[in-house]
Amino acid sequence: NAGVTQTPKFQVLKTGQSMTLQCAQDMNHNSMYWYRQDPGMGLRLIYYSASEGTTDKGEVPNGYNVSRLNKREFSLRLESAAPSQTSVYFCASSERAGQGTGELFFGEGSRLTVL
Amino acid sequence: GENVEQHPSTLSVQEGDSAVIKCTYSDSASNYFPWYKQELGKGPQLIIDIRSNVGEKKDQRIAVTLNKTAKHFSLHITETQPEDSAVYFCAATYNNNDMRFGAGTRLTVKP
Repeated sequence: NAGVTQTPKFQVLKTGQSMTLQCAQDMNHNSMYWYRQDPGMGLRLIYYSASEGTTDKGEVPNGYNVSRLNKREFSLRLESAAPSQTSVYFCASSERAGQGTGELFFGEGSRLTVL
Repeated sequence: GENVEQHPSTLSVQEGDSAVIKCTYSDSASNYFPWYKQELGKGPQLIIDIRSNVGEKKDQRIAVTLNKTAKHFSLHITETQPEDSAVYFCAATYNNNDMRFGAGTRLTVKP
């Protein structure tokens, strides 16, 4: 049971570099999400995709872009990384659209450090 | 928008004791309140949730209570075990998609 798979698990970037975090789910879920987790701040939603072909901004979208490649895959791109983007990033999925419609299934996280 | 405050930030209990974590929310229209458990190096995992039309829900050693008037909800873990040690997050959801998480509580259960 793979569930939600994120790659890479760890990444170190220099300020200004770009990178893409990959996420794939094998549960045939409709909705997918990207969160960041910072100490003392819980989880904050960056972007979400309610269904294949749609994406919307969350609470903290600045500096990020996303692509819902197909029903399984949802990627997060940092075009020009900044130290403020140092964080642990989590991808999640849910069967129905909306964070509040039921259980969110999370990946194991990607720890990103921007120097 | 919604604001969720979670207390305490750290909690240490002896094995077999009970643990209680409390959250307050600001938007009276919030209607879904999940609790997630995050073990070290893992992603959060749903352990229990409650909707606004219910005052209490239990699942074995875990229970959640909701007080809509006071706008707070609590997680109760009884007969704690070392494997309950983790970070616990509450969340409140408004309008099915606007979910805000609390800052988390690090629970340590000492054997």
